[in-house]
Amino acid sequence: ILNVEQSPQSLHVQEGDSTNFTCSFPSSNFYALHWYRWETAKSPEALFVMTLNGDEKKKGRISATLNTKEGYSYLYIKGSQPEDSATYLCAFALQGAQKLVFGQGTRLTINP
Amino acid sequence: NAGVTQTPKFQVLKTGQSMTLQCAQDMNHNSMYWYRQDPGMGLRLIYYSASEGTTDKGEVPNGYNVSRLNKREFSLRLESAAPSQTSVYFCASSDMYGYTFGSGTRLTVV
Repeated sequence: ILNVEQSPQSLHVQEGDSTNFTCSFPSSNFYALHWYRWETAKSPEALFVMTLNGDEKKKGRISATLNTKEGYSYLYIKGSQPEDSATYLCAFALQGAQKLVFGQGTRLTINP
Repeated sequence: NAGVTQTPKFQVLKTGQSMTLQCAQDMNHNSMYWYRQDPGMGLRLIYYSASEGTTDKGEVPNGYNVSRLNKREFSLRLESAAPSQTSVYFCASSDMYGYTFGSGTRLTVV
């Protein structure tokens, strides 16, 4: 059974502060690592899909890095805003597999 | 609007009743999925379909059946609902850019 672990499970950050959290995944037979943003009462929205070791992706104040050799990815949020409050999911895809395995998410709350 | 459409949004069933959750996508994606989301459990894959005409079991398939009716539609059926199937169900489709999720179906089995 593949295990994708995210830490921390929850995080409270002051508005304006920067933050980051981690996704750990199996380092063998890697194909892709996805990040999703999931607001309460909505459906998950894709942020990034990363496939290469050393990949760095950026969308506005949010960025992500990927280390496939050691099996981790970091998501960074710079200058947190209240609208960043959401659960951030990472998901891992094996080579040859059609499906993703999701972590349990990091629930981020931005305090005004 | 392009995307994944799920129906119904809410449903209450009595134990033993059956129902089908409908999902349709208009993005011409080959792969479609059904997930359930439970508190503390994250998203767990029930069934998926890599292409029209194929379906495969995911992590938690027991008590469910699926039909890939055509490239657009992928339905999930509960033949005899049980309280353990109370959950929020998400349909998704995918391409190389990631998954697109439907808005979810909140199902309660009493």
